[in-house]
Amino acid sequence: GEDVEQSLFLSVREGDSSVINCTYTDSSSTYLYWYKQEPGAGLQLLTYIFSNMDMKQDQRLTVLLNKKDKHLSLRIADTQTGDSAIYFCAETLRTTSGTYKYIFGTGTRLKVLA
Amino acid sequence: EAGVAQSPRYKIIEKRQSVAFWCNPISGHATLYWYQQILGQGPKLLIQFQNNGVVDDSQLPKDRFSAERLKGVDSTLKIQPAKLEDSAVYLCASSLAVVRTEGTDTQYFGPGTRLTVL
Repeated sequence: GEDVEQSLFLSVREGDSSVINCTYTDSSSTYLYWYKQEPGAGLQLLTYIFSNMDMKQDQRLTVLLNKKDKHLSLRIADTQTGDSAIYFCAETLRTTSGTYKYIFGTGTRLKVLA
Repeated sequence: EAGVAQSPRYKIIEKRQSVAFWCNPISGHATLYWYQQILGQGPKLLIQFQNNGVVDDSQLPKDRFSAERLKGVDSTLKIQPAKLEDSAVYLCASSLAVVRTEGTDTQYFGPGTRLTVL
């Protein structure tokens, strides 16, 4: 089946680390993505991880993938007020036509307190 | 590099009226997607084009929604007639991938069109 779940809200203090979690159901997912959406804007690509990797680090962002449990997390180090937004994870599935289909989670609203 | 362009940014119509949205993808991107994002939810794929052909329109309400990408570049999404439940943000995205390309196929999103149906 195709289902991606995220917790709805997360609140952290400025300077702390944020951890946003995501679970997916389809073990054939190839790449898993994290996007950020600020109010009134489209989705901005943050990072992605290939399904044969366990971890990927990109500056303040660390992605952890537990393929056995189908669990993905995004850690933001030294969270800033500008990180306040909605974060979406997405799994990608290869279709029979050879293209890729994205399944998005419900989004986690991160609020950073000054 | 210019991003994905969409217009209009906002649209307010009454139910049973018609509306059309326009999308210009990133130059050279073969694949174009239209998503519907209802408030508080993640984007849901409506239709996916590969050049000017439809790859997936399984979740497009075809009795009222239509989309085209005639020359394999710009695309238009139309709703006729609109219902209250069509109130949402309509996102367009594009990606470079062509059929049977291995590796990642990152989608880049436009700013969206916020539709309010009264």
